[in-house]
Amino acid sequence: AQSVTQPDIHITVSEGASLELRCNYSYGATPYLFWYVQSPGQGLQLLLKYFSGDTLVQGIKGFEAEFKRSQSSFNLRKPSVHWSDAAEYFCAVGPMEYGNKLVFGAGTILRVKS
Amino acid sequence: DAMVIQNPRYQVTQFGKPVTLSCSQTLNHNVMYWYQQKSSQAPKLLFHYYDKDFNNEADTPDNFQSRRPNTSFCFLDIRSPGLGDAAMYLCATSRDQGATFFGQGTRLTVV
Repeated sequence: AQSVTQPDIHITVSEGASLELRCNYSYGATPYLFWYVQSPGQGLQLLLKYFSGDTLVQGIKGFEAEFKRSQSSFNLRKPSVHWSDAAEYFCAVGPMEYGNKLVFGAGTILRVKS
Repeated sequence: DAMVIQNPRYQVTQFGKPVTLSCSQTLNHNVMYWYQQKSSQAPKLLFHYYDKDFNNEADTPDNFQSRRPNTSFCFLDIRSPGLGDAAMYLCATSRDQGATFFGQGTRLTVV
């Protein structure tokens, strides 16, 4: 069955420090991979997506992610974190059958300390 | 801006009283989804419409229903809300297997 693992429930980084959030997936074919960010009480905002092609994907807000098929990973990175990046981050894999049904990881809560 | 709009943002309903949540989109996407997100959990797909075709997830309770009267609108009906149905309900859209875009969600409280 398809699944997504985000091994870190919470991560705390200092403002200005680099960030890497881990994501591993299990999927029977070539996956579509996504990172979403969610602020408290809000919906999910798409940060970036990987469908095919270049394995290093650039997204919004200075985020990037690298697809590594051999490791079944799609880690999210940012070179310098800002206090406004504090939120919960979800990795997701699709598509499933019709449309783009997504399976989400459990999420990683990012705290930024000044 | 094209977007996914959910109304209301906050809904309080009584135990057992039917409630309807609404979603509209200006993206002209053919697929619309409803996800349930309980506190501190990942979103979980309830069902989706692929064009006019309704696709229910196997573990979605019968208490949850959906209607899609046209391309732009989709409704989530909870026939008899229980305390366990308190959650954030997220509407999302995609064009076929393209990227999925979410609305701001409706926070449902059951009293």
